[in-house]
Amino acid sequence: AQSVTQPDIHITVSEGASLELRCNYSYGATPYLFWYVQSPGQGLQLLLKYFSGDTLVQGIKGFEAEFKRSQSSFNLRKPSVHWSDAAEYFCAVGRPPDTDKLIFGTGTRLQVFP
Amino acid sequence: EAQVTQNPRYLITVTGKKLTVTCSQNMNHEYMSWYRQDPGLGLRQIYYSMNVEVTDKGDVPEGYKVSRKEKRNFPLILESPSPNQTSLYFCASSSGLFYGYTFGSGTRLTVV
Repeated sequence: AQSVTQPDIHITVSEGASLELRCNYSYGATPYLFWYVQSPGQGLQLLLKYFSGDTLVQGIKGFEAEFKRSQSSFNLRKPSVHWSDAAEYFCAVGRPPDTDKLIFGTGTRLQVFP
Repeated sequence: EAQVTQNPRYLITVTGKKLTVTCSQNMNHEYMSWYRQDPGLGLRQIYYSMNVEVTDKGDVPEGYKVSRKEKRNFPLILESPSPNQTSLYFCASSSGLFYGYTFGSGTRLTVV
């Protein structure tokens, strides 16, 4: 069965520093990969997604992610973090065309210090 | 505005008292799903629906029911809530995995 692992439960960075959030997946083929962000008290918002093609994808709010098949990873990056980026981030995997189901990782909570 | 609307946002109830959490979407999406979010466990799927009158169990369906009588609505029913169902619940809809999910704002349920 496919799964998603986010090894870092909690990350703290200073404002202006770079950020990388890790995501590893287990799946036999190239899945659909997503990153979502959940701000406090809010629902989940889609940051970016990957299906095929260019392995570096750009998303909203200045985020990007890189798909690395050899490492089964889809890490999220941002060159310079803003205080408003403090939130919880979820990586998710889907396995088309069998199902529209998304399987989520356990999340990484990002704290930003001024 | 395209959105998924859940009600209520907050609910405190007692063990055994039946409750319904409503979910409505205005995007004509065929796929709808319920997730619960618990600390350290991420989001786990409870039930999903591929279309009207088509529903199926997710990973943690015990203690929950759903129905899909209309395309826009997908209520979550707890016939006899228990304290282990205290959680944050999210409804989501989609027109296909390619587009990702649109989530509601969540319902924080406390069962005492």
